[in-house]
Amino acid sequence: RKEVEQDPGPFNVPEGATVAFNCTYSNSASQSFFWYRQDCRKEPKLLMSVYSSGNEDGRFTAQLNRASQYISLLIRDSKLSDSATYLCVVNAHSSASKIIFGSGTRLSIRP
Amino acid sequence: ETGVTQTPRHLVMGMTNKKSLKCEQHLGHNAMYWYKQSAKKPLELMFVYSLEERVENNSVPSRFSPECPNSSHLFLHLHTLQPEDSALYLCASSPRDSGVDEQFFGPGTRLTVL
Repeated sequence: RKEVEQDPGPFNVPEGATVAFNCTYSNSASQSFFWYRQDCRKEPKLLMSVYSSGNEDGRFTAQLNRASQYISLLIRDSKLSDSATYLCVVNAHSSASKIIFGSGTRLSIRP
Repeated sequence: ETGVTQTPRHLVMGMTNKKSLKCEQHLGHNAMYWYKQSAKKPLELMFVYSLEERVENNSVPSRFSPECPNSSHLFLHLHTLQPEDSALYLCASSPRDSGVDEQFFGPGTRLTVL
């Protein structure tokens, strides 16, 4: 089993739709969780950290389910500019030395 | 200049060449990282430096040799690479090597080994 697993997609949804994807992780000792966004041929950029209580940033909501070992990302009222690959990132250590990236989920928003 | 810069942006080299990738961060961060991103594979963390000391070497072959002369600069020296080493090499930095800090990535060097 992969340490961090994501559905590669692509998710192809119309503008204005709500879309959600999950990421599962295998290490129950994982401590820190993030969603990064990577546009085509660009570097990854932090979208949001994921906190135990869940957190929201505008149209984006991230949640953590420790019991089932997954994190989720919900995008409401999707925009064309949301088209990107979303990377799930998990860290099981107090340093970044054990950081694990998922392969990413591709999202394509159509007009 | 701002953020994290990397040079060169593209590099083509033969298997017997020696080359170096350079990364510079202008953010005052204390931790720097090298990652490898191959097609259809997740980012792989290669090396971590914290306050110019190497923290982690994730079983990377010795043909990759990192160097961190100060907290703003990071190099990746390459020698006798293999075609399977062709990939995008990304540098990143963060305020600390804490595991919870946001990492800021450079634009990457796209490496092709012939």
